[in-house]
Amino acid sequence: DQQVKQNSPSLSVQEGRISILNCDYTNSMFDYFLWYKKYPAEGPTFLISISSIKDKNEDGRFTVFLNKSAKHLSLHIVPSQPGDSAVYFCAALIGSSNTGKLIFGQGTTLQVKP
Amino acid sequence: DSGVTQTPKHLITATGQRVTLRCSPRSGDLSVYWYQQSLDQGLQFLIQYYNGEERAKGNILERFSAQQFPDLHSELNLSSLELGDSALYFCASSILSGGAYNEQFFGPGTRLTVL
Repeated sequence: DQQVKQNSPSLSVQEGRISILNCDYTNSMFDYFLWYKKYPAEGPTFLISISSIKDKNEDGRFTVFLNKSAKHLSLHIVPSQPGDSAVYFCAALIGSSNTGKLIFGQGTTLQVKP
Repeated sequence: DSGVTQTPKHLITATGQRVTLRCSPRSGDLSVYWYQQSLDQGLQFLIQYYNGEERAKGNILERFSAQQFPDLHSELNLSSLELGDSALYFCASSILSGGAYNEQFFGPGTRLTVL
């Protein structure tokens, strides 16, 4: 049972354009969502997060949108840069659980072409 | 560099064998997490320890076990290895036991290959 899904295994965009990565979840108990970025031969690194009390969080070129009714979130990268090429994982957490159990999606490989 | 170290980087072994993966958390972090990333899969949560005690468990196989020692480093023991256990195993650490805004920092992973 995949509680967090990233249905697009890969995405290719041109440098300078917008990258939109999508994520769906099924568990309504999730109240905190994160995006991690992973380069080859490295561990994932935290990128941006959003609490379920918000519908948008912005950090520089990265913005995460949350649509609770649709159980959907998306990560926007504007403008995209070649250095953004990596695997992006969406993750979810039950904030009140007092554990750090992150449930991850399968990941989306983003390629930004110069 | 996240500050989380994992050894070894690579491990090649045979079916039926037992291996131990080691993780040293960031200085000051009390929680350690283990995740498994198989081919074409996302990261699957295995287990979490907080200050030496088990805090949360995921779909960890009975053949797998972990512990966190008084110096806060952790070991993941995998026994009776099967081909399907071949994967990247990541360790992460964080300051708190859980909740939002409790950022997890990941190590570079151990790649296990079972032949």
